[in-house]
Amino acid sequence: RKEVEQDPGPFNVPEGATVAFNCTYSNSASQSFFWYRQDCRKEPKLLMSVYSSGNEDGRFTAQLNRASQYISLLIRDSKLSDSATYLCVVTRNSGNTPLVFGKGTRLSVIA
Amino acid sequence: DVKVTQSSRYLVKRTGEKVFLECVQDMDHENMFWYRQDPGLGLRLIYFSYDVKMKEKGDIPEGYSVSREKKERFSLILESASTNQTSMYLCASDGGYGYTFGSGTRLTVV
Repeated sequence: RKEVEQDPGPFNVPEGATVAFNCTYSNSASQSFFWYRQDCRKEPKLLMSVYSSGNEDGRFTAQLNRASQYISLLIRDSKLSDSATYLCVVTRNSGNTPLVFGKGTRLSVIA
Repeated sequence: DVKVTQSSRYLVKRTGEKVFLECVQDMDHENMFWYRQDPGLGLRLIYFSYDVKMKEKGDIPEGYSVSREKKERFSLILESASTNQTSMYLCASDGGYGYTFGSGTRLTVV
């Protein structure tokens, strides 16, 4: 089983739509979870951390289900500028260990 | 904001050359990382370092080495460049709240 699995997409959605991405991870010892955004030919940038209680940042909501080893990202009221690849990221183990990146889900928001 | 600077945006090197990729961060972070990113393979960890003069192998260290003589600088070395090392190389620094990446070096080995 891959360490982090994501649907590669692409997800093509109209402006204003709500879109959800999911991700599963294999190591139950993983402690920290993130979503990163990567624009074409650019470096990944941290979008938000993910907590068990769920967290929201404007139009973005992230959820973590430790029991199912499942992470989600919800984007409401999609904008053209949300078009990017979204990377699901977890720590390999507990403690201060390197991050493991999913291969990403590509989103295209169309006018 | 943390700034992570990679010395070159694009590089073209010949097979067999020794190649140095430099990365500097300005926030006194202890943890630094080198990844490569290839289409269909995502980001793969090459080496990382948690302190000066410390280094740890990642998932794909073969053909690479690193140097961390100063806290702010983490160098990736391709001992003898090969065409399968053509890739985008990304350096990252970690202050405990997720990584900050440099803008990447796109290396082509011919």
